[in-house]
Amino acid sequence: DTAVSQTPKYLVTQMGNDKSIKCEQNLGHDTMYWYKQDSKKFLKIMFSYNNKELIINETVPNRFSPKSPDKAHLNLHINSLELGDSAVYFCASSQDYGTSGAYQETQYFGPGTRLLVL
Amino acid sequence: GEDVEQSLFLSVREGDSSVINCTYTDSSSTYLYWYKQEPGAGLQLLTYIFSNMDMKQDQRLTVLLNKKDKHLSLRIADTQTGDSAIYFCAENPGGYNKLIFGAGTRLAVHP
Repeated sequence: DTAVSQTPKYLVTQMGNDKSIKCEQNLGHDTMYWYKQDSKKFLKIMFSYNNKELIINETVPNRFSPKSPDKAHLNLHINSLELGDSAVYFCASSQDYGTSGAYQETQYFGPGTRLLVL
Repeated sequence: GEDVEQSLFLSVREGDSSVINCTYTDSSSTYLYWYKQEPGAGLQLLTYIFSNMDMKQDQRLTVLLNKKDKHLSLRIADTQTGDSAIYFCAENPGGYNKLIFGAGTRLAVHP
């Protein structure tokens, strides 16, 4: 029944490793997002995809690569993990983006993936 | 520019009203949102307001919008211990539905 789900919930890894976080939504939405929440709880958008196409690509190191195999999934792959990548990563989805109303634009968030890089 | 500011902490007694304030900068924001984050959990959408509205009420929640001053507030009536959480204000400054969040207000409810 979960609308937006993420796996894993927790991820502890060593510096330099490569890891992936997966996100799936069963809301039938076209648009999906990745946000990063740092240790001070500050939330910032990283990427968004609409129907498998990249829409937003904020100033994010190119070690971060999103992949959308279909519109219900948006995965985040991180290469060469650094200490500063430790954060909570949230996936979100919306019906559409920036077009025609609150119903279409409202974003629903997943439970988050807590990444700790040692 | 894009910037959303909130006070970081608010402490209230159970049963009192809580008012969480937010200022934003982008007047093109069509919608403004309030999200709630409980400890260790994701963000839960509480409510939103359309930019041409002054007020929106939803059960114990009242949102007030002063568009001239770019000021948004969330009032929680009869605050309960279950309301203890971080509350995020967010603007949506048009374009690609990129939400700009404030730093969050940590609400503590004590008996």
